[in-house]
Amino acid sequence: GESVGLHLPTLSVQEGDNSIINCAYSNSASDYFIWYKQESGKGPQFIIDIRSNMDKRQGQRVTVLLNKTVKHLSLQIAATQPGDSAVYFCAEIRSGTASKLTFGTGTRLQVTL
Amino acid sequence: ETGVTQTPRHLVMGMTNKKSLKCEQHLGHNAMYWYKQSAKKPLELMFVYSLEERVENNSVPSRFSPECPNSSHLFLHLHTLQPEDSALYLCASSPGTGIKAFFGQGTRLTVV
Repeated sequence: GESVGLHLPTLSVQEGDNSIINCAYSNSASDYFIWYKQESGKGPQFIIDIRSNMDKRQGQRVTVLLNKTVKHLSLQIAATQPGDSAVYFCAEIRSGTASKLTFGTGTRLQVTL
Repeated sequence: ETGVTQTPRHLVMGMTNKKSLKCEQHLGHNAMYWYKQSAKKPLELMFVYSLEERVENNSVPSRFSPECPNSSHLFLHLHTLQPEDSALYLCASSPGTGIKAFFGQGTRLTVV
């Protein structure tokens, strides 16, 4: 069935390096995407979002890239810090389902010193 | 602090108990949500309220009963739960439906 999925369950990155977390989606009608960060014992925290009429959006130390041709989304974190260690989720909202935010299973980012 | 407050943070209940989860948002948002987060599963949307009206109910068992008395408060009433209902229950709000939602810290529920 249709889903939002993540390529890797765990990503280990050295402090100071850049991190790239990937996400694939299967519904070409999806028109809005969001990245969330969830630290242990906390709720998901909004990081950055992007609409399907864009292919790149930048925030503070984060960049989201959207490739609609291959239905792929990525989150890039520059100069990864220990505080970036968390589970990262991509989520989509599909056209015609304005209330339904569909989440992937998440990628755990581990930052090593 | 996201502006969405959930209480209690932890709850242990027996299968015959009745309890309620509370969510309050201080963001002036019009939409509120309940999500269930189980280990190794994606977040599952349970209920959506927009302007205090329920707009989505994702085939959730009747032992979960939501209530939205006003746009700032959302409750999830629980009764005769099963051990498999043990999970993290997350409340979220957004300015409207179809845009980014902000989450509370969740209630860790254990059914014994």
